[in-house]
Order: sequence, then structure tokens, then C-alpha cells
Amino acid sequence: EADIYQTPRYLVIGTGKKITLECSQTMGHDKMYWYQQDPGMELHLIHYSYGVNSTEKGDLSSESTVSRIRTEHFPLTLESARPSHTSQYLCASRQEAFFDAYNEQFFGPGTRLTVL
Amino acid sequence: RKEVEQDPGPFNVPEGATVAFNCTYSNSASQSFFWYRQDCRKEPKLLMSVYSSGNEDGRFTAQLNRASQYISLLIRDSKLSDSATYLCVVNGVEGGSQGNLIFGKGTKLSVKP
Repeated sequence: EADIYQTPRYLVIGTGKKITLECSQTMGHDKMYWYQQDPGMELHLIHYSYGVNSTEKGDLSSESTVSRIRTEHFPLTLESARPSHTSQYLCASRQEAFFDAYNEQFFGPGTRLTVL
Repeated sequence: RKEVEQDPGPFNVPEGATVAFNCTYSNSASQSFFWYRQDCRKEPKLLMSVYSSGNEDGRFTAQLNRASQYISLLIRDSKLSDSATYLCVVNGVEGGSQGNLIFGKGTKLSVKP
């Protein structure tokens, strides 16, 4: 069972609010990821990190920002939420694949965000 | 050309059927390959890794053809519980994708009684 957690699981919030989605993993993984996924649609990578103090933008442009101050923690922040941000946000982690290209990537249960 | 391409879905099959999913990847330097499963409104989970020699796990068989850059997943004796979206996944080797897994759009399977 994956030791990766996301809070909150569901969030309904008004336009203009600042929100932070939390993601933590206890597996000591270096790499962490944020994906955005609309219902029935494909995963889109929006942010990733190779380790502490490393953050990179993914394939899909996002107005969100991330930080990685601790290995286990990779929060995502939206400064001013809009209805277009309504989606599911999935956090994931994976150990660096220097020695094993087949390291599994684990996903958290996701945060379903609705912006009114 | 997208880095990972999968059969368009959905696949609607009766219980007990054998179903095959195909996937192609664009970069010949890719070294690791996976099939993930995603249930409706859930997170993706690893179904199986795909090795060069092909591998089998119960009713599931995965094959890799490096020359054709092609991956397949065969499910025998389909169960209702196999209904899900199956994601073909390849490790990225270039630019911003390097070291990251690249997920296909997924193929939806619906097994009917």
C-alpha cells in the first residue's frame, strides 16, 4: 500500500480564494509530481520536483505554484482560485531511477477541487 | 506525434472474453514500460511492468516489441472487476520528460455480464 497522502480530499471554495493542496509521502522518495485530471480525461503533468529545493513546470501550463522544502512534503498553491481550476489534482512520488528504471510511481488519492 | 499513443476506447466486452490493448511509443531510447490501471474517480495504480522478454501475471500478459516500439496487454477471461481505464506508461528520455514517466491517454474497458 502506498504511503502517500493528500488533503483535503474534497474542497469547494469561492472564486478569488487562496488555497493550498497538501501532499505528503513517507517513502523517502526524491521525485514528486502534481497532475491535473478532469473526469474521463487524460492525466496532465503540471509540476514536478527532483528533490528538496527543486521545482519544475510540467507539460500543462498551470497558474498554481509548488514548493519543496522537505523531502516528504510537496504542497500546491493557487493564489486566486477560479472556476477554470475546477478539476482533480493527483500527487505522486517515485524513487530516483538511477539503479532501477522500473521503480514504481505511487499516486495519492487525489483532491477534487470545485471553484464556484 | 505524441510520445505514447493507445488504442481509442471504449472496449465493451462480455464476461469471459479475451481483450487486447495496444500502445506505441515514439522514443526508441525508452527503457522502462508499464501498464497502470485507473478505476473511475480513483488514482492510477501499477498493474504490471513490461519486460523485454514479456511477462505474465495470472490472466494478464504484457508484451514488448522494441523494434516496433509497441507494447501490448492481453486480458484473458475478463471479469466485471476488470472494468477500468488502462494506461500505457513509458519512461521519458528527452528534455523535460527525462526521468519522468509519460502516461498515455488510456483505454477504457467495460466488461458486461
